[in-house]
Amino acid sequence: KNQVEQSPQSLIILEGKNCTLQCNYTVSPFSNLRWYKQDTGRGPVSLTIMTFSENTKSNGRYTATLDADTKQSSLHITASQLSDSASYICVVSAPWVNTGFQKLVFGTGTRLLVSP
Amino acid sequence: NAGVTQTPKFQVLKTGQSMTLQCAQDMNHEYMSWYRQDPGMGLRLIHYSVGAGITDQGEVPNGYNVSRSTTEDFPLRLLSAAPSQTSVYFCASHKQANTEAFFGQGTRLTVV
Repeated sequence: KNQVEQSPQSLIILEGKNCTLQCNYTVSPFSNLRWYKQDTGRGPVSLTIMTFSENTKSNGRYTATLDADTKQSSLHITASQLSDSASYICVVSAPWVNTGFQKLVFGTGTRLLVSP
Repeated sequence: NAGVTQTPKFQVLKTGQSMTLQCAQDMNHEYMSWYRQDPGMGLRLIHYSVGAGITDQGEVPNGYNVSRSTTEDFPLRLLSAAPSQTSVYFCASHKQANTEAFFGQGTRLTVV
């Protein structure tokens, strides 16, 4: 079982509509939670980073929320655009095996298609 | 700003061949890492480095070697390619342990 689970696996919405992507994680302890956008054939690009003490963080039309008690996060996309079509990946940063390194634990992503 | 540059973008190898995936960053970041991305799975950590001359294994290190002779470069070597190493490989760098990670464009490797 993945330590970072995302839902839905895929989603199709009409241009201009809003959507919310979900992330549940079991990684513990964790340092921060991140959302990345990955366009097809490209590397992931960071959207937001939240520590356990932050409840919400925005980046333009992207708003991420975090509930550290229930270990849930969501990414809300407002007024979607065709360029939002991509995979959105939830990532939890956690200490790695008694080292100073922070390992990134990746979810499998939600594939979003914004249709005209 | 180049950021993180990976070469090549695509590569086909025969089983048993060796090759090196190149990764370079121009942001003076101490931390660099290699991940592989396979269908239906999240990215998984192969090897990482916390500074020049310092490398360590991630969660799937078998069949791969790394070195970090300079801050800028972090090559990944496949010693004897196997079909199980068919994947997309991403290099990442970040300034400190908990800061934003910047990823390269990826290398799509096929081993036949």
